[in-house]
Amino acid sequence: SSDLTQDPAVSVALGQTVTITCQGDSLRTYYATWSQQKPGQAPKVVISGNNNRPPGISDRFSGSYSRNTASLTITGAQAEDEADYYCNAPDSSGDHVVFGGGTKVTVL
Amino acid sequence: QMHLQESGPRLVKPSETLSLTCSVSGGSISSSNYFWGWIRQSPGKGLEWIGTVYYVGDTYYSPSLRSRVAISVDTSRNQFSLKLSSVTAADTAFYYCVRHGRAALYHVFDIWGPGTMVTVSP
Repeated sequence: SSDLTQDPAVSVALGQTVTITCQGDSLRTYYATWSQQKPGQAPKVVISGNNNRPPGISDRFSGSYSRNTASLTITGAQAEDEADYYCNAPDSSGDHVVFGGGTKVTVL
Repeated sequence: QMHLQESGPRLVKPSETLSLTCSVSGGSISSSNYFWGWIRQSPGKGLEWIGTVYYVGDTYYSPSLRSRVAISVDTSRNQFSLKLSSVTAADTAFYYCVRHGRAALYHVFDIWGPGTMVTVSP
């Protein structure tokens, strides 16, 4: 299967740590990219490949992998981290892209 | 700094063809390092990759949309375009054009246009 599965929603207390996951068979071979989307905005990459952070992205964001699961961890979550987070990865062919369904992160 | 901007009709009738163009500024679409793609998002829903084109014309399409999609590139205008045929209400969505980086083991959409909302309605 080329599907990527994410939990629909998670919440985290301000200043605490939250980990969201993305599961799929293709993640045994390929890396995920994580994007953050706030209401009314286009998505923005926060982590790509093997834990690469684009310039300007807080080091609160980090990525990791285990078997068929990619994880995005927000350490010391801030109010501005409240958003939808999407993973994407190549499918088994490597040429096509699949998105996870997204996880809504609420900072309490 | 590179910018992408979508343009095209916001309202399309069922069974007709949706056509959008993405204008790229601040850099060349003929860069060998990047591809150019389209992603859509239905209201209140998640992201869906539609397809991607390389500046020499090579294309990659979502298997679920392949029979209805065509993406082309015009290097002289620094633009690329999307055509989606036989549209239905299910194709109503926000459409984003993106710069698509293809590394060996991952894909990254690192620059996004602001997006344009396209509604399919009689």
